[in-house]
Amino acid sequence: DAGVIQSPRHEVTEMGQEVTLRCKPISGHDYLFWYRQTMMRGLELLIYFNNNVPIDDSGMPEDRFSAKMPNASFSTLKIQPSEPRDSAVYFCASSFLSGSTDTQYFGPGTRLTVL
Amino acid sequence: SQKIEQNSEALNIQEGKTATLTCNYTNYSPAYLQWYRQDPGRGPVFLLLIRENEKEKRKERLKVTFDTTLKQSLFHITASQPADSATYLCALVGAGGTSYGKLTFGQGTILTVHP
Repeated sequence: DAGVIQSPRHEVTEMGQEVTLRCKPISGHDYLFWYRQTMMRGLELLIYFNNNVPIDDSGMPEDRFSAKMPNASFSTLKIQPSEPRDSAVYFCASSFLSGSTDTQYFGPGTRLTVL
Repeated sequence: SQKIEQNSEALNIQEGKTATLTCNYTNYSPAYLQWYRQDPGRGPVFLLLIRENEKEKRKERLKVTFDTTLKQSLFHITASQPADSATYLCALVGAGGTSYGKLTFGQGTILTVHP
């Protein structure tokens, strides 16, 4: 298996622009997680899905952030409009069981820079 | 509020020695605790999981202990090698409430093993 795939790997955009991050989880995994990592706040869970359904989005910082999972093999995280404070590395992870009883497999991340 | 602290931001040791990393938590009742390794520019990689009713878990040169009374986990790497140099993250999985089933990560400890 190729592992969790994320695109793009790097994104540089200007404040106010829409940003869409993409993720393809490992085939057969039922859970998909979106995280954000910064030096100040570390690795934070934003939202997670089970069988394509959002289960907990309490970590989404504000309404500018939205996530979708239209099918088992694809998810997007959208920021509209983007702000400089959104600059971070965004990781997607997937697991077969819930994160509590199974390992999470992380993608390589998307480094987002908002100017 | 819930808090997870990893002993120090950076730990430097000599090759061949045992590295010991600490993860302390407060206001938390974890069901499980996981340790991940993260290399620069990459996503975290799962290493070990230990349950609340387990005291110790081993895997090759790695050993994890979990003391729910002290609210602490220790992560040991024996016979350390320069290739072990990385950031190590502890992550707690909540047993109930709003943290149920979700991974909450510590800030990480940067380990450098000198030849």
